[in-house]
Amino acid sequence: KAGVTQTPRYLIKTRGQQVTLSCSPISGHRSVSWYQQTPGQGLQFLFEYFSETQRNKGNFPGRFSGRQFSNSRSEMNVSTLELGDSALYLCASSLVPTTDGYTFGSGTRLTVV
Amino acid sequence: KNQVEQSPQSLIILEGKNCTLQCNYTVSPFSNLRWYKQDTGRGPVSLTIMTFSENTKSNGRYTATLDADTKQSSLHITASQLSDSASYICVVSHTNAGKSTFGDGTTLTVKP
Repeated sequence: KAGVTQTPRYLIKTRGQQVTLSCSPISGHRSVSWYQQTPGQGLQFLFEYFSETQRNKGNFPGRFSGRQFSNSRSEMNVSTLELGDSALYLCASSLVPTTDGYTFGSGTRLTVV
Repeated sequence: KNQVEQSPQSLIILEGKNCTLQCNYTVSPFSNLRWYKQDTGRGPVSLTIMTFSENTKSNGRYTATLDADTKQSSLHITASQLSDSASYICVVSHTNAGKSTFGDGTTLTVKP
């Protein structure tokens, strides 16, 4: 079965712009979580969605937002981009919010110039 | 505060050699512990997952151990290959559903 699909794979934006990243979970998975990974840093949790509702949120400014659609696909939006937002953004999906593990996508590499 | 500490931060070994990566955690209450392998620029891929009652789990040349009493885990890689070069991430999940704490990872470089 298809894995977690993230689009686009690469993105270049300028400071001040906004960006929307997309994540399609594994078929049947209803929970989607987002992470930011900067060079040399560990994964930082952004937020988690289940059944179109945000269940958990990490310590990121309000410029970072997300949503989940009825088909479980999720989008993440970053407004007023800053140079420090350059990172690999990863999405992971699971059947339900669970501590039993989830499957990650390949990520979207965002570069802010 | 729930924390996951991984050591060493980076490691260089020769192809064919074995190595062991460490993960110490303070997460409580504990649900499970996972090891992921992340190739550069890619998403993490699950290697092993262990619950409180398990103390060892293997996946090919990868063997993870868990000591829930001392809150320590290790990932042992046997007969390393060049393709083992990656970042290895330890993730500890809380009993409260949906909450996990990630370690910063160990970067392993395998040289010919």
